[in-house]
Amino acid sequence: DQQVKQNSPSLSVQEGRISILNCDYTNSMFDYFLWYKKYPAEGPTFLISISSIKDKNEDGRFTVFLNKSAKHLSLHIVPSQPGDSAVYFCAATSGYALNFGKGTSLLVTP
Amino acid sequence: EAGVAQSPRYKIIEKRQSVAFWCNPISGHATLYWYQQILGQGPKLLIQFQNNGVVDDSQLPKDRFSAERLKGVDSTLKIQPAKLEDSAVYLCASSLASRSGNTIYFGEGSWLTVV
Repeated sequence: DQQVKQNSPSLSVQEGRISILNCDYTNSMFDYFLWYKKYPAEGPTFLISISSIKDKNEDGRFTVFLNKSAKHLSLHIVPSQPGDSAVYFCAATSGYALNFGKGTSLLVTP
Repeated sequence: EAGVAQSPRYKIIEKRQSVAFWCNPISGHATLYWYQQILGQGPKLLIQFQNNGVVDDSQLPKDRFSAERLKGVDSTLKIQPAKLEDSAVYLCASSLASRSGNTIYFGEGSWLTVV
């Protein structure tokens, strides 16, 4: 059973605009959430995380929002750049290993 | 700081053959993970070590997969005999500890093709 879901397999955004990637989870025991970015032929790279005691975490152009009541989190990238084109994985944990979504492929066009 | 090292990067074998992947985690990281990522899916945990002990291997197909971390540092994942459906990227990762709040860092992966 998929405990972390990314329902949009792909997203295309123009350079300079906002990219919003969404993620839903089903396990209410998850208390730490992470976003990873993956380029082809490379391993996932940690991007940003958020603890369940917060509802927002910001790091430069990247902001993650957490809505615990809806079991939903989102990653905002502003402004989007062509180098942001990659697959983005949402992951969640309750203290052990990460549970990953299937990923969203983001394409930022010039 | 050196990242998670994995080898080999690429391997092609015939079904029923065996293969082994090696991983050296980030220095000082007590927790080591092996994930399997099949094309189009997110990484799936195979096994998690805390130092040289196994924390979770519930999703490891133990009839054909084995892993060890004898000295609590580097680790080896073995598949014997391989099946076509084992074609995937095998990702090693490490973290300081296994508690929530500890970021997990991944290696570049070992790409396996079984023909």
